[in-house]
Amino acid sequence: ETAVFQTPNYHVTQVGNEVSFNCKQTLGHDTMYWYKQDSKKLLKIMFSYNNKQLIVNETVPRRFSPQSSDKAHLNLRIKSVEPEDSAVYLCASSYQDTQYFGPGTRLLVL
Amino acid sequence: QQQVRQSPQSLTVWEGETAILNCSYEDSTFNYFPWYQQFPGEGPALLISIRSVSDKKEDGRFTIFFNKREKKLSLHITDSQPGDSATYFCAASAMGYKLTFGTGTSLLVDP
Repeated sequence: ETAVFQTPNYHVTQVGNEVSFNCKQTLGHDTMYWYKQDSKKLLKIMFSYNNKQLIVNETVPRRFSPQSSDKAHLNLRIKSVEPEDSAVYLCASSYQDTQYFGPGTRLLVL
Repeated sequence: QQQVRQSPQSLTVWEGETAILNCSYEDSTFNYFPWYQQFPGEGPALLISIRSVSDKKEDGRFTIFFNKREKKLSLHITDSQPGDSATYFCAASAMGYKLTFGTGTSLLVDP
């Protein structure tokens, strides 16, 4: 049963556009994450958010920014997409050590 | 620098065989090692995990063997089924901090 929801499933856009992806978790967890999964399936953490404390992976370009309205939601905004942003973006939440992932949003930048 | 490495990158076994997926790590502070299973079009899902105080963890057909001295672990899938075909990620963390994921092993079980 899916407890981490992501929208949209798939998004196609052009270089320079702004995109925003939504994530909601119904597990009551305090910590949420965004990961980027590339074409080789490598998983790289982008952000983690816990009790209004944001931890950013220093390798993430500044055009990426997380947005949270409450502990159940953590959205991802990309201000001006570039071709290398094409990937699957996975949202997750965690309780203690276990992370629960959503189905992902696949982004294609033309 | 990849702190968690997996091998092989891809593996094909026949139905009924045992698949062995390997993982190694560098950071000696890592003490929690989950394995995640990912099917196409889905997010990874926790399959089985082990803590560094144990050297073996079983859950049905899935077993983790852990060697703390060598900083290695392996996932054994006995009686492999076509439904086990997926990508498997080894991950590691220290004291509940963020997970570091390995590079993944793509498993194909031929019927």
